[in-house]
Amino acid sequence: SQQGEEDPQALSIQEGENATMNCSYKTSINNLQWYRQNSGRGLVHLILIRSNEREKHSGRLRVTLDTSKKSSSLLITASRAADTASYFCATDRNNAGNMLTFGGGTRLMVKP
Amino acid sequence: NAGVTQTPKFQVLKTGQSMTLQCAQDMNHEYMSWYRQDPGMGLRLIHYSVGAGITDQGEVPNGYNVSRSTTEDFPLRLLSAAPSQTSVYFCASRDPRGGIETQYFGPGTRLLVL
Repeated sequence: SQQGEEDPQALSIQEGENATMNCSYKTSINNLQWYRQNSGRGLVHLILIRSNEREKHSGRLRVTLDTSKKSSSLLITASRAADTASYFCATDRNNAGNMLTFGGGTRLMVKP
Repeated sequence: NAGVTQTPKFQVLKTGQSMTLQCAQDMNHEYMSWYRQDPGMGLRLIHYSVGAGITDQGEVPNGYNVSRSTTEDFPLRLLSAAPSQTSVYFCASRDPRGGIETQYFGPGTRLLVL
């Protein structure tokens, strides 16, 4: 079973709007990472947040982590058509060989 | 650096055939792993390696073999292909030194088993 589950599964917004994606997980983690996948391509790392961090920023990206609720959110501000992609959260669990466990992803469409 | 490379990009197999998916990285990363991605789903870990000569099973290892004779290469072998192995396969690598935890992914191999 997958460790992370993203919500919503699909999201369609207009350019300039903000996009928020959520991720829930089941077991304790070392860190949580967000990846982006353009259609037909490999995954690209976006941002990592450690279990002792609550919020992190990178450009237009803002990630939060609530370990008590075992959840994380990814906010993309001022979205662009080029942000259209699938976004996956991945957890790096304690004592799991540092290999990632992925959720099912959120498919984001940003309309120009 | 070329990063993580995978060959072939596409492959069609008949049920029962065997084949090897190639993965190579030129970043001297110790950790390498194989994932499969089924339509509309996230990635699931098949096998991983934390260094040359060391491999271990992931979440869905059945029907696949791996070996790690060098740091650079991490081939994935399908022993007897089944339609359930139709998927997109991604290889990834990571440098664990200095607490760097992000993974670098290859472009993927699309496999169709008839």
